[in-house]
Amino acid sequence: AQSVTQPDIHITVSEGASLELRCNYSYGATPYLFWYVQSPGQGLQLLLKYFSGDTLVQGIKGFEAEFKRSQSSFKLRKPSVHWSDAAEYFCAVDFPGSNDYKLSFGAGTTVTVRA
Amino acid sequence: DVKVTQSSRYLVKRTGEKVFLECVQDMDHENMFWYRQDPGLGLRLIYFSYDVKMKEKGDIPEGYSVSREKKERFSLILESASTNQTSMYLCASRTLTEAFFGQGTRLTVV
Repeated sequence: AQSVTQPDIHITVSEGASLELRCNYSYGATPYLFWYVQSPGQGLQLLLKYFSGDTLVQGIKGFEAEFKRSQSSFKLRKPSVHWSDAAEYFCAVDFPGSNDYKLSFGAGTTVTVRA
Repeated sequence: DVKVTQSSRYLVKRTGEKVFLECVQDMDHENMFWYRQDPGLGLRLIYFSYDVKMKEKGDIPEGYSVSREKKERFSLILESASTNQTSMYLCASRTLTEAFFGQGTRLTVV
């Protein structure tokens, strides 16, 4: 069955430190991959996406992500976090071929930034 | 900018009430979605629509129905609200390359 897993429920990181969030999927081919961020009380905002090509993608707010086909993973990274990066982060996957444009989401990772 | 607007940010309803959650998008997207967000479960798809008057069940459709009479509007209906439907509800519209989300409606059923 197709699935999306975010192994880390909660991560605490110091301001200025690096951040890495994991996402793994189960699917027979390469899906379309997305990372979204949700600040408290807000809707979801797209950080970046991967469809094909270069496996390192750049996004907004200084985020980047690396796709590794061999590991079925799509890791989100930021070299130096700011207090405003405290939020919930969701990995989402679109499994091509279904023609229904559905997005499947991971359970989310909550990021806390300490001063 | 694309805008997806949900009619209410917060709602409190009584058990057994019929509840309507409204969503409007302004970008002429064909595909629209209703998700439910619960802590530790991420977003789960309730229903989606790929055209006017067309709808498909998502992963958790039980207790919900939807209506799409116009392209820009997608409504989620709780026929008889129950306490286990207390949750955050998110509407989205989509192109191939991106989904756009509303601010969410936090529904409490008492």
